[in-house]
Amino acid sequence: GEDVEQSLFLSVREGDSSVINCTYTDSSSTYLYWYKQEPGAGLQLLTYIFSNMDMKQDQRLTVLLNKKDKHLSLRIADTQTGDSAIYFCAETLYSSASKIIFGSGTRLSIRP
Amino acid sequence: EAGVTQFPSHSVIEKGQTVTLRCDPISGHDNLYWYRRVMGKEIKFLLHFVKESKQDESGMPNNRFLAERTGGTYSTLKVQPAELEDSGVYFCASSQIPGLAGGSNEQFFGPGTRLTVL
Repeated sequence: GEDVEQSLFLSVREGDSSVINCTYTDSSSTYLYWYKQEPGAGLQLLTYIFSNMDMKQDQRLTVLLNKKDKHLSLRIADTQTGDSAIYFCAETLYSSASKIIFGSGTRLSIRP
Repeated sequence: EAGVTQFPSHSVIEKGQTVTLRCDPISGHDNLYWYRRVMGKEIKFLLHFVKESKQDESGMPNNRFLAERTGGTYSTLKVQPAELEDSGVYFCASSQIPGLAGGSNEQFFGPGTRLTVL
């Protein structure tokens, strides 16, 4: 079935790295995504990775994909207060490429 | 360029009433999507329009929900009659080309409408 799971909360000290994890069940994923939602704002696409890639790096963001374990992670280096938000893991499938399947979101809070 | 806009930002209604949510996509985007997030759970796909036609409405929960996109511009989502379990945040998104998010295929999301049914 279509299922994307992620933990609900993560608290990180400012300046440390944040790692948000996600697992998915469907092996026919095409792309996997990380979206960010700040308070009062819409969903912003942070980054995405094609399913045949293992890693993607974009400035402070590193995405790791383990297809065997169906595990996706987002690492944010040097976490700042502006990174406080809800992060949603998501995927699209070959069978329905325009329908995004989201997880429940991980709320990242930054402590001084 | 204006992003996806949604109206209202918040709506509080009583069970049994009717509510209509509106979404204005980015100008020129033929594809429009509705999603909702209920009770802090995952965001779930509701339906996808291509211009004024419903391409995929597999996520619509029941016949109390009616989505329209007359003229292929803005879209409305009507809930009639509203039930307690309809409370949540309703997101709208639009894209130029349907399919995979990334580059010009990216789905751009609005800020959402928070619906509370009492």
